[in-house]
Amino acid sequence: DVQLLESGGGLEQPGGSLRLSCEASGFIFSSFAMNWVRQAPGKGLEWVSVISASGDRTYYADSVRGRFTISRDNSRNILFLQMGNLGGDDTATYYCARGNIAGVPAAPYYWGQGALVTVSS
Amino acid sequence: QSVLTQPPSVSGAPGQRVTISCSGSSSNIAINSVYWYQQLPGTAPKLVINKNNQRPSGVPDRFSGSKTGTSASLAISGLRSEDEADYYCAAWDDDFNGLFAFGTGTKVTVL
Repeated sequence: DVQLLESGGGLEQPGGSLRLSCEASGFIFSSFAMNWVRQAPGKGLEWVSVISASGDRTYYADSVRGRFTISRDNSRNILFLQMGNLGGDDTATYYCARGNIAGVPAAPYYWGQGALVTVSS
Repeated sequence: QSVLTQPPSVSGAPGQRVTISCSGSSSNIAINSVYWYQQLPGTAPKLVINKNNQRPSGVPDRFSGSKTGTSASLAISGLRSEDEADYYCAAWDDDFNGLFAFGTGTKVTVL
């Protein structure tokens, strides 16, 4: 079974940085594109970023471009989201989600359980 | 503000059929596939319709998707209590440099 386990969430101050990780298992990680999607408390879903299977192509939502960086380590089956210059609007549950193809764009297909990030002083 | 618009809520009695609409534009639904996600209370989203009208393995055939022009729909027939959830449509938008746009979301209530 496809399993995605996010970690690294927590409380961070405005202007700070945080790195989320997503450990993947149950499939050949290096064969699929991966996404990050977030959901603010009580709000709808917002796509954040996608990375191709090889890691050579990435896309970002306008709201995070220049502040967030998506990356992956195919040797360890881990997806990352480095988040910087955090603001209150970044408070959300962050989900990693596997696509169903190697290239991008690849829509989220399988989802992890999410990691909560809270930005507050 | 989302580029895909859904009704805030729909409701139906058990056994009935409900339909959720998703309105987009020429840069998203008209030219790209539509996806539908179900989010049960307190859980992660789950894909229920892939590429306009394909059901992933394990999704009941009570769920069906369709697309016409710049709009799409999700239909749930034989409504059951376990279908009570938030539903989101989504599509890639070619006007926004790689944006995967989610709809505004629809709460389905089983009366």
